[in-house]
Amino acid sequence: DVKVTQSSRYLVKRTGEKVFLECVQDMDHENMFWYRQDPGLGLRLIYFSYDVKMKEKGDIPEGYSVSREKKERFSLILESASTNQTSMYLCASLLGGANVLTFGAGSRLTVL
Amino acid sequence: DQQVKQNSPSLSVQEGRISILNCDYTNSMFDYFLWYKKYPAEGPTFLISISSIKDKNEDGRFTVFLNKSAKHLSLHIVPSQPGDSAVYFCAASALYSGGGADGLTFGKGTHLIIQP
Repeated sequence: DVKVTQSSRYLVKRTGEKVFLECVQDMDHENMFWYRQDPGLGLRLIYFSYDVKMKEKGDIPEGYSVSREKKERFSLILESASTNQTSMYLCASLLGGANVLTFGAGSRLTVL
Repeated sequence: DQQVKQNSPSLSVQEGRISILNCDYTNSMFDYFLWYKKYPAEGPTFLISISSIKDKNEDGRFTVFLNKSAKHLSLHIVPSQPGDSAVYFCAASALYSGGGADGLTFGKGTHLIIQP
């Protein structure tokens, strides 16, 4: 089974802090994604990557950046956290040519 | 512009009865549809899918129906069980139209509550 691991399940940060959310997958998938989930808004795509060092903006990239230095690792960076970035962040991976995303357990971020 | 719509934010069903969750889409390029189930504090897990060449796919208690002309799909759960209480997300992709690497477009979700 594909495993997508998000190392931080719960984080509390202060406004203005830099935040790193890490995601690792163990099945050699080419594509990786970051979504955020908010009540009433569903899952919204922040950024995705289809190869090492490649990144593409999703629907709501503002205030975020990403890094993919290795195939198995996809990091989401909040350069200066704001309260409206309080959310559940979900990482996912996808085998190229396939169509089922596998999600991690999520990282619940609270920005005070 | 919301391309995948789940118009019912919540749905309450008695245990043992049928649960029907609905989803509408607007993008004609979508050719693969999925349902995900999500419990609180967990990531979404894949439930069932259907490609646009079919109109029905069944897996145990779960059946997904696709009506391409109406751009509508539905998930039927029979019989509903307490463990089915979760948020269900409808998702779509244009995989075979070349959009696979962009991931999935999700609806806002429907919170299904199974009453004992």
